[in-house]
Amino acid sequence: DAGITQSPRYKITETGRQVTLMCHQTWSHSYMFWYRQDLGHGLRLIYYSAAADITDKGEVPDGYVVSRSKTENFPLTLESATRSQTSVYFCASSAETSGGAGTGELFFGEGSRLTVL
Amino acid sequence: AQSVTQLDSQVPVFEEAPVELRCNYSSSVSVYLFWYVQYPNQGLQLLLKYLSGSTLVKGINGFEAEFNKSQTSFHLRKPSVHISDTAEYFCAVRRAVLGGSQGNLIFGKGTKLSVKP
Repeated sequence: DAGITQSPRYKITETGRQVTLMCHQTWSHSYMFWYRQDLGHGLRLIYYSAAADITDKGEVPDGYVVSRSKTENFPLTLESATRSQTSVYFCASSAETSGGAGTGELFFGEGSRLTVL
Repeated sequence: AQSVTQLDSQVPVFEEAPVELRCNYSSSVSVYLFWYVQYPNQGLQLLLKYLSGSTLVKGINGFEAEFNKSQTSFHLRKPSVHISDTAEYFCAVRRAVLGGSQGNLIFGKGTKLSVKP
């Protein structure tokens, strides 16, 4: 199906383990984003990518690593998970171009709920 | 930099009553404004957006919002709510003219709308 999909939807892990959350979009959107959602904080941007091989930090990047070797995939890795990274993670994409054309509308996946014990 | 303040974290309302969810933003440049809705255990979906032109914007599900530049506000309204409108609503802002790779939205912390029978 066309759209943006995240996997896994639910994940429980232990402190210190590496975890990778996957995000795949079928629209060939240039921009992709990772947000985390926590009570009282709303959505906070972790990393974003303007195109393949171009990534940049958002508001809360510490403890996370991203890569974008292909336009359609944007995995998020927690190299050594901590309890403070327990959250719901949302991937999003946008048809924005690097020149600024487009409306900025984001299309979201359904989220990945991560619990770090 | 841009910022968004949603003035109410929770809004309880009875079915068929009108509702207004308040949003104020801060920016030194022209912005695009958005309202997103999140139903339980789902990702965010776009309700409506303001890019330019008419300051009254109509969206899906009978919602509308008015852009007020002098008040730096973008309040969301619905004249008669339904039980199915129970959800969390997020206001978001993005600068209208991008430079480099600045495609990300800045979100408010959200307002939980609870519609009671």
